[in-house]
Formats: sequence, structure tokens, C-alpha cells
Amino acid sequence: GEDVEQSLFLSVREGDSSVINCTYTDSSSTYLYWYKQEPGAGLQLLTYIFSNMDMKQDQRLTVLLNKKDKHLSLRIADTQTGDSAIYFCAESIEGYQFYFGTGTSLTVIP
Amino acid sequence: EADIYQTPRYLVIGTGKKITLECSQTMGHDKMYWYQQDPGMELHLIHYSYGVNSTEKGDLSSESTVSRIRTEHFPLTLESARPSHTSQYLCASSESASLTYEQYFGPGTRLTVT
Repeated sequence: GEDVEQSLFLSVREGDSSVINCTYTDSSSTYLYWYKQEPGAGLQLLTYIFSNMDMKQDQRLTVLLNKKDKHLSLRIADTQTGDSAIYFCAESIEGYQFYFGTGTSLTVIP
Repeated sequence: EADIYQTPRYLVIGTGKKITLECSQTMGHDKMYWYQQDPGMELHLIHYSYGVNSTEKGDLSSESTVSRIRTEHFPLTLESARPSHTSQYLCASSESASLTYEQYFGPGTRLTVT
């Protein structure tokens, strides 16, 4: 399968911005996604970006896509304790193949 | 809000027992998936289905089996549970006709085999 890589852990102070990074290997990705998983729960779709876009903003979330470097990032502005969770990036190849990243555990320090 | 349900949420069972994990969705999605999630977070696809009577094995070899007799229902069965099957199992669904292909997840079943 595809290698979708993320760093395992990130800690930030409440009120700071968080940036979670993801690298993928398939340049034919159609859509890229960010999911959030809270303890004991399933994955919740946060946002997605079409592969021909560079940036998408949705309230406190900003997604940046660098297709040349195959790099995706999620920025959370004004991070709150409720943002503590595991974040997964994922890529879809025309809807037939779907690959998840390894997950980043975000800890927000009060 | 996605409508995808999994039961039970938690299950502790002895070695050798047969178990079925239930997954249902009310969105009419044609595609459904089962993932196994390690304690270290990573998701592994173990089964998927593109429609009724269609089932395929995923990237991670699994001793479980699945069936898809109805669009909304995608149960996973372990004929003889072993401690190595202890894990979190996540069910998901998606719609082929969706422009964005996103998967919707159930809350998961935490299985412990003693």
C-alpha cells in the first residue's frame, strides 16, 4: 500500500497554534483528508482538500497542500484542550483506494 | 452527522469463542470497510465491500470473515477468538457517487480476548 507518514506526537500550549504534518507518496491522489479521533471513539472527518487546491480554510482549521513535495499540513489556530486527540491524514485515489496515515497524537497543555 | 453504528462497543470474551461484530449504516452507502486499529494508533484495512454480495480482503491478513447480504449491514465474524485478536475494530462506509469519496466511521468495538 501507500506510505502516508506523520510524526507520532505533538504537544502545544493552550492558545498556541498547532501544525500537524503529513507526507504521501502517490501523486495521483484526488482528495486528501484530515480526520480526528477522540479517545474510545471512531474517526470524525474534519476537512478535506481537492488535489488541485493549495489551501483551504475552515474556521480555526487551515489545510495547506504542496503537491510538488507531496506534503499536507493541518494548522489549528488557538488550540484548545478539546482539540487533544489523534489526527489522521488520508488520501483517496479516485475513490477506489484510500490510505490513512500513521496518526499524530496531539496533546494540549493547559 | 454520519449514521453508522457498531455493536457491541466493548466485548471481553474467552479464547475459542465465536463472535460477531455488528456494523450498520442508514445512509445507503454502497461501500463498507473494516479496519483493525493497533494500540499504537495505525489503522489496517482487513475487509471491504463494494456492494451487496461483494467482499474482499484488505491489506492486513485477518482470520475474520465478513458478509454483505444487505446494503446497510456488514458484520464481521471470528470463528474462534484468540488473544492475538485483541484490538479495536472500526467499521466505515462511503458512497461511490460522492464527489469527495470520504469515509464515515462508526464508534468502534474494543475487543479483548482472554
